[in-house]
Amino acid sequence: DQQVKQNSPSLSVQEGRISILNCDYTNSMFDYFLWYKKYPAEGPTFLISISSIKDKNEDGRFTVFLNKSAKHLSLHIVPSQPGDSAVYFCAATGSARQLTFGSGTQLTVLP
Amino acid sequence: DTAVSQTPKYLVTQMGNDKSIKCEQNLGHDTMYWYKQDSKKFLKIMFSYNNKELIINETVPNRFSPKSPDKAHLNLHINSLELGDSAVYFCASSLRGSGEKLFFGSGTQLSVL
Repeated sequence: DQQVKQNSPSLSVQEGRISILNCDYTNSMFDYFLWYKKYPAEGPTFLISISSIKDKNEDGRFTVFLNKSAKHLSLHIVPSQPGDSAVYFCAATGSARQLTFGSGTQLTVLP
Repeated sequence: DTAVSQTPKYLVTQMGNDKSIKCEQNLGHDTMYWYKQDSKKFLKIMFSYNNKELIINETVPNRFSPKSPDKAHLNLHINSLELGDSAVYFCASSLRGSGEKLFFGSGTQLSVL
């Protein structure tokens, strides 16, 4: 009953290229989506979010895209930097305002 | 000056013991949480407190008991520890209405032997 799925456990990208991390959800009641970034031995930190009334939100090198009909969101990082190497968690919430997290994708940016 | 601090960072203990994890936040937030990251790496909510009142209590064994003495603190006490309790436990806090932007502590790695 995983309502938020990140099907790629890992992703490797060359420095300077685009990183695309994907997330799928099953609960149509989710209306707010977030991405968190986690370095080893640290807690997750908030990165970017998007409301279901939008299909795109941008913050510097990070852009989140939401496709409600496909129940899919993606995080684009352009250009990717070695410091972006971390685990990225997708999370979603509905009216209960309780976050449901995916299992994370380990991004490695190669210099 | 850490925003959300939890102690200890590592906890190794025998089955059957009772242990506590402490959490404090200095962000002025009104809501605090305990999350468990299991072996499959999912972060699952266990409890949430708003202004010292329990608002979320997921399906967690009653061996786990949270206590919030004030808005800045949320401790987790675990009785009769079992092997399956081994996990990383994260404390987090937020301001209600802030769009679920949680601020997490660095985690407590609990190993039950």
